[in-house]
Amino acid sequence: RKEVEQDPGPFNVPEGATVAFNCTYSNSASQSFFWYRQDCRKEPKLLMSVYSSGNEDGRFTAQLNRASQYISLLIRDSKLSDSATYLCVVMNKNRGGSNYKLTFGKGTLLTVNP
Amino acid sequence: GAGVSQSPRYKVAKRGQDVALRCDPISGHVSLFWYQQALGQGPEFLTYFQNEAQLDKSGLPSDRFFAERPEGSVSTLKIQRTQQEDSAVYLCASSSDPIGADNQPQHFGDGTRLSIL
Repeated sequence: RKEVEQDPGPFNVPEGATVAFNCTYSNSASQSFFWYRQDCRKEPKLLMSVYSSGNEDGRFTAQLNRASQYISLLIRDSKLSDSATYLCVVMNKNRGGSNYKLTFGKGTLLTVNP
Repeated sequence: GAGVSQSPRYKVAKRGQDVALRCDPISGHVSLFWYQQALGQGPEFLTYFQNEAQLDKSGLPSDRFFAERPEGSVSTLKIQRTQQEDSAVYLCASSSDPIGADNQPQHFGDGTRLSIL
């Protein structure tokens, strides 16, 4: 079983739709959680961190359920420019507590159609 | 700009050749990471440096892969006797990692797209 699993996708939605991405992780000791966005043939870019209390950034809402080891991302009123691959990412800190490696899901491709 | 810079952007090599990929992290960033991203997959961790110290190389797929960061800034990932399965995008990331901070983001370079013929 992979450490981070995401909806396989792809998702094709019309402009203005609401779309939800789901992700589960297997390491219960994981400490930090993120959603990254990756455009075709470009580098991954941080979209938002995910906190247990849930957090929102404009049209984007991220949720974390530590008990279920589940992470979600909701995009409301989707735009053409939201078309990209969305990567669920988990970070497990080392014993020293410093920044450490990211473990990525496979990614889910979203295409928003006019 | 002030982002992570990688070179070359594209590299084509024949099977069996050695290649070297370069990463210039954001100035002052302590932590540096290398990831490998195969087509249709998410990036996978290769190795991690804190300054010049290579603290984790558990993700390197074989002893043909070697990374260094001798002065704690620029890093080089070297692949010896390349194989076709080494074809992938190699991504470098850096982060500032100040003491006591949490959730410091990793900033990625554009990557080097390596094709082994």
